[in-house]
Parts: sequence; structure tokens; C-alpha cells
Amino acid sequence: DQQVKQNSPSLSVQEGRISILNCDYTNSMFDYFLWYKKYPAEGPTFLISISSIKDKNEDGRFTVFLNKSAKHLSLHIVPSQPGDSAVYFCAASASIYNFNKFYFGSGTKLNVKP
Amino acid sequence: DGGITQSPKYLFRKEGQNVTLSCEQNLNHDAMYWYRQDPGQGLRLIYYSQIVNDFQKGDIAEGYSVSREKKESFPLTVTSAQKNPTAFYLCASSISYGLSEKLFFGSGTQLSVL
Repeated sequence: DQQVKQNSPSLSVQEGRISILNCDYTNSMFDYFLWYKKYPAEGPTFLISISSIKDKNEDGRFTVFLNKSAKHLSLHIVPSQPGDSAVYFCAASASIYNFNKFYFGSGTKLNVKP
Repeated sequence: DGGITQSPKYLFRKEGQNVTLSCEQNLNHDAMYWYRQDPGQGLRLIYYSQIVNDFQKGDIAEGYSVSREKKESFPLTVTSAQKNPTAFYLCASSISYGLSEKLFFGSGTQLSVL
């Protein structure tokens, strides 16, 4: 039973436009969320995070939005660049757990077309 | 360069054979983790270790074993008891075991059954 879901396996966007990647979760105890980016044959690398006390966190071209009532978060990339083409994973954790345990979504493959 | 090194990149297992995946980190991180990724699914936690000589089962530990004799090393053995070992295996570490610590990942090992 997946507690974190990324329902879009892939997304194609034109260079310069906005990319919006979505993530839904079912566990209302989750209070910390991260996005990871993964290139082929490499491990995931940390992109951006957000705590449940916020509803938005911004880092350059990347912004994560959190809607706690809908149990939904999204990653916006503006403007999208061809180098952003990768698989993006969202992950969630809860401070009630006694250790640093993350639940991961299945990933969304983003293709940014030149 | 600091990082996490996983080897080999590709590994083949015969029926009834145990195989060991290597994970070494030079980040001086206390906590280390093993995840498994299957196509279309998120990363699932196999084992984790807070400190040297200590490790705990994750969500899918059956058929796997680990050791943590050195801070830098956290090898994973896939035993013959694991009936469906074909997957992509990712090792990760974090500075501490504390909550909300982001994970640093290796580049992964693809294990296949002959």
C-alpha cells in the first residue's frame, strides 16, 4: 500500500515553459517532504524540501507547494531547461517515527524538449 | 571527492546463490540505508544502520542481511531466501539518524537473476 503516490509516470514540457510535477500522500502524520532528481545510471540527488509548517518553499527555479488539507504537494520548475530532464521522486516522513524513515513515490520522468 | 560508492554496477545471481552488494561512504555519516527499487514503484527500505555495529530491519528485510563493522561500509547480502531479487538497489547515508536529515545516495547496483 503506497503512502506516497506520483500518478503521472511521465511529463513532457517545452523548454522555457513551466513544469509541474505532482505528488499525493495518504498518511496525515507526514510532516516533512522532499523532492529528489535522478539521472540514468546515477543515484537520486536532493533537490528541495518543505516542512508542514510552510505551504511554499522556493529555491531558484524550483518551488515546492504543500496543500495539507488535500494531502498534495507539487514541484514547479520555471523556466524548464533541457538539463532538467530526469526522473523526479517525492518523499515524505513523519516526526512521530523514531528514525529518519522516508516513503518514496514511484517517480515522474520529465522530458524538457529544446 | 566525498560521496557514496556502490559496486558493482551490474550483478547477476544464479539460483541458490548468495551475492553481496558493496556500499562505501567517505562523508563521515553516521547513518546508512539500503533501498530497493522495482519498476513503477517507489524506493522501499530494506535495512538501516544508525551507528557502527548496529542495524535494524526496514519494511522488506526478508531474504537480506547486512553488517556494519566500519562506519564507512554497509554491505548488503542478497541470500537465496530472497525469491525475487531482480531490482535496482540503492545505498544511502545521512549525517545523523535525526529526523529530517536528507539522504545522500550512491549510483546503485542492478541485480538480475540468471
